[in-house]
Amino acid sequence: QKEVEQNSGPLSVPEGAIASLNCTYSDRGSQSFFWYRQYSGKSPELIMFIYSNGDKEDGRFTAQLNKASQYVSLLIRDSQPSDSATYLCAVTGSNYQLIWGAGTKLIIKP
Amino acid sequence: DAGVIQSPRHEVTEMGQEVTLRCKPISGHDYLFWYRQTMMRGLELLIYFNNNVPIDDSGMPEDRFSAKMPNASFSTLKIQPSEPRDSAVYFCASSLRQGGDTEAFFGQGTRLTVV
Repeated sequence: QKEVEQNSGPLSVPEGAIASLNCTYSDRGSQSFFWYRQYSGKSPELIMFIYSNGDKEDGRFTAQLNKASQYVSLLIRDSQPSDSATYLCAVTGSNYQLIWGAGTKLIIKP
Repeated sequence: DAGVIQSPRHEVTEMGQEVTLRCKPISGHDYLFWYRQTMMRGLELLIYFNNNVPIDDSGMPEDRFSAKMPNASFSTLKIQPSEPRDSAVYFCASSLRQGGDTEAFFGQGTRLTVV
């Protein structure tokens, strides 16, 4: 059973601080890694993807991938109340199907 | 494009009734996915289509669930008969292709309540 694990939270972070979200996966054949954001009552929307070891930055967001440790993370700098949402990690298996984590609920406190 | 369009947005039905959920993918997208999301189980892939052909339906929970894609612009997910445990949010998503950097675009979802 291929799995993607996330801490369900909630993770509470003060406004302006760095929020760190983590995800581990079991399939060593996984090739692409996605972070989606889902506001309450809304549908998931893509924040960013990464497929090479290391860091990838997009504005206030940085995705970090470590394939040896089977670990992917999302850092949000200068956290804003509007970042409060559930963050879903998704990983492609060897057959390219997306396997989803259960999500981490992030709360940014003003 | 208006994005992925799902209907209805909300559905309340009695146990035993047939429920049909509808989806219009983004034009030009070759892949269509049906997901179910609950608090307990998170986001689960039910079935996906490539060029209107069902590729993997291993996530469909029971024979009560069926899905069709008669053409590139329309898909349905049917539950017959419905049961209270089917209550969930059902999402349809589409993508240009699968894998790599391909983004899946989600519809707004159908919140199904079976009483």
